[in-house]
Amino acid sequence: AQTVTQSQPEMSVQEAETVTLSCTYDTSESDYYLFWYKQPPSRQMILVIRQEAYKQQNATENRFSVNFQKAAKSFSLKISDSQLGDAAMYFCAYRGNTGNQFYFGTGTSLTVIP
Amino acid sequence: GAVVSQHPSRVICKSGTSVKIECRSLDFQATTMFWYRQFPKQSLMLMATSNEGSKATYEQGVEKDKFLINHASLTLSTLTVTSAHPEDSSFYICSASILRKLFFGSGTQLSVL
Repeated sequence: AQTVTQSQPEMSVQEAETVTLSCTYDTSESDYYLFWYKQPPSRQMILVIRQEAYKQQNATENRFSVNFQKAAKSFSLKISDSQLGDAAMYFCAYRGNTGNQFYFGTGTSLTVIP
Repeated sequence: GAVVSQHPSRVICKSGTSVKIECRSLDFQATTMFWYRQFPKQSLMLMATSNEGSKATYEQGVEKDKFLINHASLTLSTLTVTSAHPEDSSFYICSASILRKLFFGSGTQLSVL
């Protein structure tokens, strides 16, 4: 099975500042998909951003962007201009190109300080 | 994005009773749905993969006779916790995959007294 590692159990950021959440993964596949999901206190899992491994360009969604380093098997999430509503658990996830299973990291709890 | 509806959001039951949780894909057909269990401040633990028209595939350590999964249509999967006990109390989440993305229901908090 693939493994996804999030080495930061907790992070905090000042409102309006930038924070980067780390994620590494292990795979022998060359084509796959990487995701960041957000789980706020409501516990609804929300897709934040997706990166296809065959694309060299880093994905961006408004204030959220990723730094995808395929050789290093690293996939970090950058949140710019942090807002109070960004406070949540963030999960990194992997999906291979074949099969349908998603693998999740252990999560990073993000606190936004007013 | 695609919408996955999960009901009920919260259920309290007595030990020994059975509880059914429904998961519906509202605007797309889902041949495969996933059921997860999540403990407080922990990640999602995959319990089983639900395939429309066939038997579910359970992860190692998950009792298939306790957690009955039925995926009778392309838009509905159900998880029935049979003879629930306090140790079954947890947050259960369903999800469905479309276009290589995973969309989640809002979860069900099960409390067994």
